[in-house]
Parts: sequence; C-alpha cells; structure tokens
Amino acid sequence: DAGITQSPRHKVTETGTPVTLRCHQTENHRYMYWYRQDPGHGLRLIHYSYGVKDTDKGEVSDGYSVSRSKTEDFLLTLESATSSQTSVYFCAISESWGRGGGYTFGSGTRLTVV
Amino acid sequence: TQLLEQSPQFLSIQEGENLTVYCNSSSVFSSLQWYRQEPGEGPVLLVTVVTGGEVKKLKRLTFQFGDARKDSSLHITAAQPGDTGLYLCAGPSRSYNTDKLIFGTGTRLQVFP
Repeated sequence: DAGITQSPRHKVTETGTPVTLRCHQTENHRYMYWYRQDPGHGLRLIHYSYGVKDTDKGEVSDGYSVSRSKTEDFLLTLESATSSQTSVYFCAISESWGRGGGYTFGSGTRLTVV
Repeated sequence: TQLLEQSPQFLSIQEGENLTVYCNSSSVFSSLQWYRQEPGEGPVLLVTVVTGGEVKKLKRLTFQFGDARKDSSLHITAAQPGDTGLYLCAGPSRSYNTDKLIFGTGTRLQVFP
C-alpha cells in the first residue's frame, strides 16, 4: 500500500472555479508539503505544514491556501483557478529532519485550467 | 537566494555508455539529495550525501559531494534503459526554520536500447 496518495490524479477545471486537491498519508509523518512542477522551473514549494493546523507559505503561495485538520490529510485549495495554475502538483511527506532524511512524494495531480 | 543548477538539461545516450550529471550552487549546503522521477510519478529518493568529499555508490550509480559542499555529481556506469528518467538534486533551504528542500531543474536522461 502506498504511504501517500493524492486525489484526484487528473482534473480539468474552468477559470474562476475553486479547486481542492487532497493529500493523504498513512505514515504519521509530521511534515507535509505541496509543490508544483512546471517545465523550466522544476519543483517549487507552495505551502507546507509542520503539524496539525500549523502551516506556512512557500515561494509560490499566491492564489493558494492549505488546511491540515488531521495528521494524515493536507488539502490544497485554489480559491479561483487561473490558467497560470495549470501544472502538476505533488504532495510530499517527511519525518523530522535529519541529515539522512528525505521526502516521499505522491504520484501527483495533473491540473488543467481552461 | 539559494539556487541549484543542473547540467546538462537533456542527455540522450545508448545503452552501455557512461555519463555524469552535475548539480552546482554558489551556496554551501549541509547535505544534498538526488531523486529520480519517472513519467507520471513523483520523485523517488536515491541518496543523501552529507560530508564534503563523500562518495556513495548505489549499484551502477556513484554520487559525490564536493569538498566545499557546493556541488555534487552523479555518475552512471553502463547505462540501461531502466535508468531513463528525470534526475533531480535537492538541498535544505536555510531561509526557513523547518525542513524544506529546494530542487534543481533536473537532468532528463534518455537511454536507448
């Protein structure tokens, strides 16, 4: 069983509509992250969480909000989707940081805003 | 701003060839990680290097961390089609107070049979 799942895997939505992406983990990891991946930009951090109800912004947070009401779930919401938010979104989890620590990523959500 | 630059951006080779990809920065990193990403999937951690000058081997893959901890390389011996993918280096950001990684833009490797 995958320790981290994202839903949906694919979504097409219209400009101006709200969209929520879900990340669910079964690993009981403290840290959760949302990244977007775009050609030429690599992976860029949108928001992250360091515990239940503890979240903060990353480098590309404008137009996005997040919530974490339970350890296992981290939701990313696009309040009013724009074409510039067409991207592949990845959720990642990690335990407390150590020199050998790494991220476990979900399989991604491909979002198209038309 | 910490940046990780990877080169080359694209690499197409024949099965059996050797190759090296690079990850460079003007900033010092406490550690660097390498991930491989296959189409339609998320990145998967390959290795973490921590000590300047450190060399780690993972089967046909050899990872090295620069002495000054500003760069890293990944060498693949006798590449196979299964090595095809996007290789990403990543390092911990020092501008935040929790564990966040910044990623390079990646090297896309294609190995032809």
